Amino acid sequence: NAGVTQTPKFQVLKTGQSMTLQCAQDMNHNSMYWYRQDPGMGLRLIYYSASEGTTDKGEVPNGYNVSRLNKREFSLRLESAAPSQTSVYFCASSEALPRRARQTYNSPLHFGNGTRLTVT
Amino acid sequence: AQKITQTQPGMFVQEKEAVTLDCTYDTSDPSYGLFWYKQPSSGEMIFLIYQGSYDQQNATEGRYSLNFQKARKSANLVISASQLGDSAMYFCAMRDLNSGNTPLVFGKGTRLSVIA
Repeated sequence: NAGVTQTPKFQVLKTGQSMTLQCAQDMNHNSMYWYRQDPGMGLRLIYYSASEGTTDKGEVPNGYNVSRLNKREFSLRLESAAPSQTSVYFCASSEALPRRARQTYNSPLHFGNGTRLTVT
Repeated sequence: AQKITQTQPGMFVQEKEAVTLDCTYDTSDPSYGLFWYKQPSSGEMIFLIYQGSYDQQNATEGRYSLNFQKARKSANLVISASQLGDSAMYFCAMRDLNSGNTPLVFGKGTRLSVIA
């Protein structure tokens, strides 16, 4: 049971280079997310996709683009990497939550193992 | 907007003792979920426990329990009988449950060190 798979695990880029972080999940989840983790900052949301065909900005979207390729895959692209984008990137997925009042359904996010990116 | 505050950057606990990790939250939504995740030094994010805002009882999962005080907007994680393997970063998070598939908002985390 693979869960959420991220590639690559490690990457070093020079300033100005571009790259795409890949993420795939095999749990048939509707929603997918990209977070970055920096020391002392917790996890901050970059972009998310509530369902196939939709994407929305999170707290820190500048410098990134995303593509929800299909239900399984959600990629994150850095068009022109900057040292400020040095971070650990996590992809996550979750089941869809029906909209209803007094919602008690538990739908945690399932995370990939992260990509450690260094931009020099 | 939702906000999570974890005021303890680091905590120490003796092996076999209980420890409480603090989490306070702020939201105007009546329906929300609270989550705790563990991140060991290997880096993966492990889901520990969940509490819904309408749940009448505090959540428990093995040695983990969530001390949910809705009026005080706090959702503290209690780990009983600490083990060396509990040494890790712990993150409190929340999401709105009325608006569909909203992301989790995370606190900055607490680093727990268990001492033998």
